[in-house]
Amino acid sequence: EPEVTQTPSHQVTQMGQEVILRCVPISNHLYFYWYRQILGQKVEFLVSFYNNEISEKSEIFDDQFSVERPDGSNFTLKIRSTKLEDSAMYFCASSYRGNQPQHFGDGTRLSIL
Amino acid sequence: GESVGLHLPTLSVQEGDNSIINCAYSNSASDYFIWYKQESGKGPQFIIDIRSNMDKRQGQRVTVLLNKTVKHLSLQIAATQPGDSAVYFCAENLGAGNMLTFGGGTRLMVKP
Repeated sequence: EPEVTQTPSHQVTQMGQEVILRCVPISNHLYFYWYRQILGQKVEFLVSFYNNEISEKSEIFDDQFSVERPDGSNFTLKIRSTKLEDSAMYFCASSYRGNQPQHFGDGTRLSIL
Repeated sequence: GESVGLHLPTLSVQEGDNSIINCAYSNSASDYFIWYKQESGKGPQFIIDIRSNMDKRQGQRVTVLLNKTVKHLSLQIAATQPGDSAVYFCAENLGAGNMLTFGGGTRLMVKP
């Protein structure tokens, strides 16, 4: 069964450094998403992406965050200058159409020191 | 703001029994709902979905019920197995950008 894959599984970064989280969505999916889950809390929406542009973003997704689909298979989330509070699990998801099930990867655990 | 919430943080059931996990939502404009299962160290796994024009949908051993009058969603798992032990989240889709709003999660523990 096709799946969303995310790399790395764990990223440790010094505060203030840039980090790029990578995702390969399911190949025929057209909609892409990033969510995060701080330890012990709810899964929170960050951003949705369709047709090479952001469809919607939450207030968490400030100017320090950006997304890109650099080629036909990868979808990346960049945090320019990481803060301690960015420590969380980051999940990538994709769906074939907008109002259809979103399928999630197993996440990248981001630890900011 | 409006949010999705869960009544019970932990549900413990005997293997073979049926499980019911509940979810309250407050946004009457939400038109699509999804249940996810999350095992330790993994991402949310899609279980079943339902649209607001339906009140019941069945899958393999799972049934989702939607009561729009009281803004309530439930997930029923028949003949619960040890492999069903996980955290279960409901999520609602409201935004034009297909943003999912997740509930806080219910931990299901299955006793052998």
